[in-house]
Amino acid sequence: GAGVSQSPSNKVTEKGKDVELRCDPISGHTALYWYRQSLGQGLEFLIYFQGNSAPDKSGLPSDRFSAERTGGSVSTLTIQRTQQEDSAVYLCASSPTGLAGGGELFFGEGSRLTVL
Amino acid sequence: KQEVTQIPAALSVPEGENLVLNCSFTDSAIYNLQWFRQDPGKGLTSLLLIQSSQREQTSGRLNASLDKSSGRSTLYIAASQPGDSATYLCAVPTTGRRALTFGSGTRLQVQP
Repeated sequence: GAGVSQSPSNKVTEKGKDVELRCDPISGHTALYWYRQSLGQGLEFLIYFQGNSAPDKSGLPSDRFSAERTGGSVSTLTIQRTQQEDSAVYLCASSPTGLAGGGELFFGEGSRLTVL
Repeated sequence: KQEVTQIPAALSVPEGENLVLNCSFTDSAIYNLQWFRQDPGKGLTSLLLIQSSQREQTSGRLNASLDKSSGRSTLYIAASQPGDSATYLCAVPTTGRRALTFGSGTRLQVQP
């Protein structure tokens, strides 16, 4: 596709349920990032994938959060046993080269998660 | 640890004014600096990317400058329009990580 695609755009779930958020990066982009934006807060880095390298998971807030990237393309962010504080907009971004290569980041529209 | 500060937090101007948004960062060892725009309920749109070796970048009515040694960048918007109303964010690489650290943004309102 022309841009980064995320689904679902909105997700409402009950506390304790698991959710999966999907990101389709721009074709050919080797770097993929997940960020979280809580109401009134700045963007919080979650995880970074670059090619076949081990992901940088240093931003994941707890072990309830995990992410994978299959075939170097589509990524899924999974939140297990959701809590109300997980409510936020989850943003995915991709880059042709990653930051070390001077790459520009392109963001999707985000997935808004509401945990009741 | 990289910290990014944006001033002012909010700005309201009449249409047609030229304006400057400020961004400062604590660690000058950066690959690049990127300016984004975010409309309410939307994702981020990349406006300008300045590599560490560059002093400025221009796109239409937007001009961004970078002074790496002093840890500062400015985004200049010429002849502002109501359609420019949005939150503007700057971001630089996080020290020791391969991700961007974002400022908290400047919320701009251009009055018609």
